[in-house]
Amino acid sequence: DAEITQSPRHKITETGRQVTLACHQTWNHNNMFWYRQDLGHGLRLIHYSYGVQDTNKGEVSDGYSVSRSNTEDLPLTLESAASSQTSVYFCASSENRGQPQHFGDGTRLSIL
Amino acid sequence: GESVGLHLPTLSVQEGDNSIINCAYSNSASDYFIWYKQESGKGPQFIIDIRSNMDKRQGQRVTVLLNKTVKHLSLQIAATQPGDSAVYFCAEVDSNSGYALNFGKGTSLLVTP
Repeated sequence: DAEITQSPRHKITETGRQVTLACHQTWNHNNMFWYRQDLGHGLRLIHYSYGVQDTNKGEVSDGYSVSRSNTEDLPLTLESAASSQTSVYFCASSENRGQPQHFGDGTRLSIL
Repeated sequence: GESVGLHLPTLSVQEGDNSIINCAYSNSASDYFIWYKQESGKGPQFIIDIRSNMDKRQGQRVTVLLNKTVKHLSLQIAATQPGDSAVYFCAEVDSNSGYALNFGKGTSLLVTP
């Protein structure tokens, strides 16, 4: 079955380190998204991509970057991790813009 | 600010009862709405969606109602089961952009036997 997987599921790192979270989907979806989920907030959009070589900033993009070199993957990089970036990160994909997004099971990232 | 909100953060119902979870939205560009269910330690799972040209849509045991006049939608779950216990949240989407303009914070549904 097609799916979307995130890795690692849990990570602990130190402030100032560069961190990359992986997202891989096998649906061949063009659209991919990264969100963070924090207590007291709904899911907030970090970056999104409509296809290979396309990336766009979302609501909370500062300190994050993405790259889209193929259809299946959209890695999220924290250039210099900050404690405020401790969160649960979700990746999602959708077939078309007016279709529901399918989510991975998240990466819990702790920055000490 | 929060433009998509839920009226009740916690809802407790008895098994077999019907559940209603509400959501308000405020963005006039939103033309597509999605309900998600999220269990602990898992990602949001799609339940049902509705487009702005519809008022009601039914799925298996779930119904979504959309009232564009007051910018409100609701999720009705019939014959609620223990497996329905989870956090439910709505998302408002501008289908031109394809991404959710806002997600609600969620309502925790607890089904008691």
